[in-house]
Amino acid sequence: EIVMTQSPATLSVSPGERATLSCRASQSVSSHLAWYQQKPGQAPRLLIYGASTKATGIPARFSGSGSGTEFTLTISSLQSEDFAVYYCQQYNSWPSFGGGTKVEIK
Amino acid sequence: EVQLVESGGGLIQPGGSLRLSCTASGFTVSSNYMNWVRQAPGKGLEWVSIIYSGGSIYYADSVKGRFTISRDNSKNTVYLQMNSLRAEDTAVYYCARTPYGSGNLFDYWGQGTLVTVSS
Repeated sequence: EIVMTQSPATLSVSPGERATLSCRASQSVSSHLAWYQQKPGQAPRLLIYGASTKATGIPARFSGSGSGTEFTLTISSLQSEDFAVYYCQQYNSWPSFGGGTKVEIK
Repeated sequence: EVQLVESGGGLIQPGGSLRLSCTASGFTVSSNYMNWVRQAPGKGLEWVSIIYSGGSIYYADSVKGRFTISRDNSKNTVYLQMNSLRAEDTAVYYCARTPYGSGNLFDYWGQGTLVTVSS
């Protein structure tokens, strides 16, 4: 089983600032890495797949990078609707998720 | 428009059984890979099971031998039969689609159905 580790667990950011979220895999997952956003009481929403490809309808302020075992999700200028929990997920083998990063208002 | 609607959750005693349903619209379940993913209260996401377009089926070790995934193509619906339920199975269960040939990522999710296992 591939273990996904996200950091930090909580990120406090002011609106308009940049947020950088990290995700590490216990072994290489190539570029088979996705990011999801989840708001309270809602299902997760796919943001990024293939480590860096935005899903349909995802704003340009979201970007993903990395390969192998180290990945980053960057939100260039946080909007009010971006405060949520973000999960990374590898799909190089049976899918596994990170524990999530909560992005909260500073 | 792609839509997934789950139903069938509820309160069940330990050792009991429950069947969840996921009805799809806007696409054909038999042409895609369909999954169940769960989320315990206040916790992260855990993949549970997948049924491929060709009919192959796989489960997470935590539910193997107790849960069964199936589909009814005529109803465009996927099911999760859950037997021998335990307290640790308490979670919101989401149905999620994996686009054909894309690997095991999830592009559309239902709203989820809550399963509570408690006496």
